[in-house]
Amino acid sequence: AAGVIQSPRHLIKEKRETATLKCYPIPRHDTVYWYQQGPGQDPQFLISFYEKMQSDKGSIPDRFSAQQFSDYHSELNMSSLELGDSALYFCASSLGSWGPTDTQYFGPGTRLTVL
Amino acid sequence: AQSVTQLGSHVSVSEGALVLLRCNYSSSVPPYLFWYVQYPNQGLQLLLKYTTGATLVKGINGFEAEFKKSETSFHLTKPSAHMSDAAEYFCAVSDSGSGNTGKLIFGQGTTLQVKP
Repeated sequence: AAGVIQSPRHLIKEKRETATLKCYPIPRHDTVYWYQQGPGQDPQFLISFYEKMQSDKGSIPDRFSAQQFSDYHSELNMSSLELGDSALYFCASSLGSWGPTDTQYFGPGTRLTVL
Repeated sequence: AQSVTQLGSHVSVSEGALVLLRCNYSSSVPPYLFWYVQYPNQGLQLLLKYTTGATLVKGINGFEAEFKKSETSFHLTKPSAHMSDAAEYFCAVSDSGSGNTGKLIFGQGTTLQVKP
């Protein structure tokens, strides 16, 4: 079965640089969630999209932006990178019948290292 | 606000022993609860979820969890641990309040170690 695809899997950037993370949801899934997992921490919700519209926003820095495109893939853009942005970034997708009970399927994550 | 608390950041069991990972929730609305497993350098995989109906939920790999409203708990169990069960386990509650977006709110995670 097709899974959530994230690219790149690993990314190394310098401080103040920009990074773009991509997420390709499971085919026919219309909802995408982004989570950030710091070292030894639980995943923290960043932002979500349903049918290409932003549906919710968590503790996402103003330096970060995201969107969902017409083919339902999503991109997380991160500017002015800081050391503290080093983390594992997960994308999850679901078929949105009613958000709270939908199963979210997670991708393998993008490990971002900021030097 | 909804939250979950996982009791015990590390749990160690012998192979073949009972696995019990504890999760308590706080929610002013009926909670929807999930258990996910994360193997090293991998994404999160759903083990099981509780939405409505039967309070004993069976999941993959022999795991099950029981929703107990009176105890605000959703503990994860497995009768007999296998070496391959060694991983990080996360309990989560989905946001079912205003807006109903379904974002997941995770507990701090429990690392399960299985000793031979």
